[in-house]
This record gives sequence, structure tokens and C-alpha cells, in this order.
Amino acid sequence: ETGVTQSPTHLIKTRGQQVTLRCSSQSGHNTVSWYQQALGQGPQFIFQYYREEENGRGNFPPRFSGLQFPNYSSELNVNALELDDSALYLCASSLAGREGHGYTFGSGTRLTVV
Amino acid sequence: GQSLEQPSEVTAVEGAIVQINCTYQTSGFYGLSWYQQHDGGAPTFLSYNALDGLEETGRFSSFLSRSDSYGYLLLQELQMKDSASYFCAVRDQANSGNTPLVFGKGTRLSVIA
Repeated sequence: ETGVTQSPTHLIKTRGQQVTLRCSSQSGHNTVSWYQQALGQGPQFIFQYYREEENGRGNFPPRFSGLQFPNYSSELNVNALELDDSALYLCASSLAGREGHGYTFGSGTRLTVV
Repeated sequence: GQSLEQPSEVTAVEGAIVQINCTYQTSGFYGLSWYQQHDGGAPTFLSYNALDGLEETGRFSSFLSRSDSYGYLLLQELQMKDSASYFCAVRDQANSGNTPLVFGKGTRLSVIA
């Protein structure tokens, strides 16, 4: 059973640039969620994808967008980067209807905006 | 909306027992989960309570009281490796099917010798 892998692990971008983060879900999982975690805080829900469609979104502006592919891998895109976007971005996969088994998280991408 | 309250920090002695409390406010309720996160690591799933009562998994137990909107995580026989942040999380009612998790701010547990 493979876990959740994210790339890149670290990234430095300049304010105003765009970034794409990638995630490969755990085998057999059909749902992917993205979270932003600031230092010392809990993960904040960005959005969730199921069957390649967004089916839930947190309090994040439209410049945060995503995609889920037929193989259940996923991307998080952030446009017009701001300094406050500096955080750890976590991808989590799960199986719809099996929430009791929990989410499997990747180790995250540490994004620094300068 | 949802809100979760848990203590920000807890310190306990190796070999002891520690309880981390969580109170929540949600428009609906689909279960309370607990996750552990070591510094620089990914959150890992510990437990899930959908019904009232105690769930035990090895040294870790989790309790839920839906009438009190309250739960706790109990860690027994503490080990140094248990030093980590612990998050309670509830599922959001906003969407049907696989509803997303909303996390608390986390409790940083320090285990001392």
C-alpha cells in the first residue's frame, strides 16, 4: 500500500508569482483534500475533490484552485502569491464513505513567499 | 460554522497518563477524529469516534460525549516519542458524502523524563 506523496518538498517563490503543488493519493483512495498549515496552527481546509470535481471549499480566495486527475492525483495552484501564503501545504487522501479510517496525509510542501 | 477548542500546551512525565480535551461547536456532527503530528512531519490518524463512549487502541484511547459536544484523547504509559502536537477534528456538514475535516489549533504535548 503506497502512501501519499507530495512534490516538491520545499519551494521558494516571489510575491506575485504562481505555484503548482502536486500530490499522489494513496492507492485505492478516491478523494483528495488540500490543507494549509501555518506555523503553530492546525491545518486549514482549502478544498476537496471527489471524482475530479471540487465538492467542498474552505474560506480561501479564488486564486487558490485545484485539479484532480483520473488516477486520483491532484494539483494545487496558487496565483498572485502573497507573503501570507507562506505555509506548509498538506494533501490528504481518503476513501468516500470510510471516514472512520481517517485521512492519509502527505508530508507536505513547505512554501516560502519572499 | 465549526469551532474546536483544545488546550494549547500540555506537559507530562514519562510513564504517566495524560488527557487532552476537545470541545466543539458544529452545525451538524459526523464524528470526532484525533491526529498526531511530529515536528516537520505529516499528521497521522489516531482514532475516530462517531458514537458516545470510549475507543481503545493500544496505549491511546479516545472518548466522545455527543450531548456535551466533548471528547478527549487519553495517552497512557507516556513515552518520549509521544511528544508531538495532537489535533482534534470534526467533519463539516456543508457537503454530502465525504465531508471534509475541520481541525482544532492543536495541543502540543511535551513528555519529560
